[in-house]
Amino acid sequence: DAGVTQSPTHLIKTRGQQVTLRCSPKSGHDTVSWYQQALGQGPQFIFQYYEEEERQRGNFPDRFSGHQFPNYSSELNVNALLLGDSALYLCASSTGTGIVDTQYFGPGTRLTVL
Amino acid sequence: RKEVEQDPGPFNVPEGATVAFNCTYSNSASQSFFWYRQDCRKEPKLLMSVYSSGNEDGRFTAQLNRASQYISLLIRDSKLSDSATYLCVVNHYLQAGTALIFGKGTTLSVSS
Repeated sequence: DAGVTQSPTHLIKTRGQQVTLRCSPKSGHDTVSWYQQALGQGPQFIFQYYEEEERQRGNFPDRFSGHQFPNYSSELNVNALLLGDSALYLCASSTGTGIVDTQYFGPGTRLTVL
Repeated sequence: RKEVEQDPGPFNVPEGATVAFNCTYSNSASQSFFWYRQDCRKEPKLLMSVYSSGNEDGRFTAQLNRASQYISLLIRDSKLSDSATYLCVVNHYLQAGTALIFGKGTTLSVSS
């Protein structure tokens, strides 16, 4: 049973560029959440997708956008990259139902903005 | 005030020691609580959920005090393999979904 997968594992971009990160959820999961983890910090919630729609969003600017596909996989897009966007981007999947919505994390994509 | 606060440590303990981590959260409407473990440059992994009645999993014991908005994790008989960052996590039930709110993490280093 494959867990949550993310691609690419590492990425280097320059300021002003755009980036797309990808996530495939754990088998049987239909909800994908994205988090940003800066060095020395805990992960911060970016947004959550369910049934191909963004259903909740954290305190991130509109430069951060996403998409969920019919097969439940998801993309995170970041436009006009800033140095401060350098971080580990984590995708987590869950079933989207029930009171205790346990989320399982992928290995992350490490983004470096130069 | 941060939503979830933890003592960042580091906690440096010898093998066999007992160590306790504490965490406070600010949103009294939070519904579920977790401890995640994160190894260096790896993803967070669920260690255990935390229930009001307290729960134990082997050497690990978690406690929740809703009145004080306080969560704890106790590790007994520490092993070298317990060295990691421990993240206190609160699940917020929002209008249309949930979001995990993480503390900054507490770093534990167990030495021989």
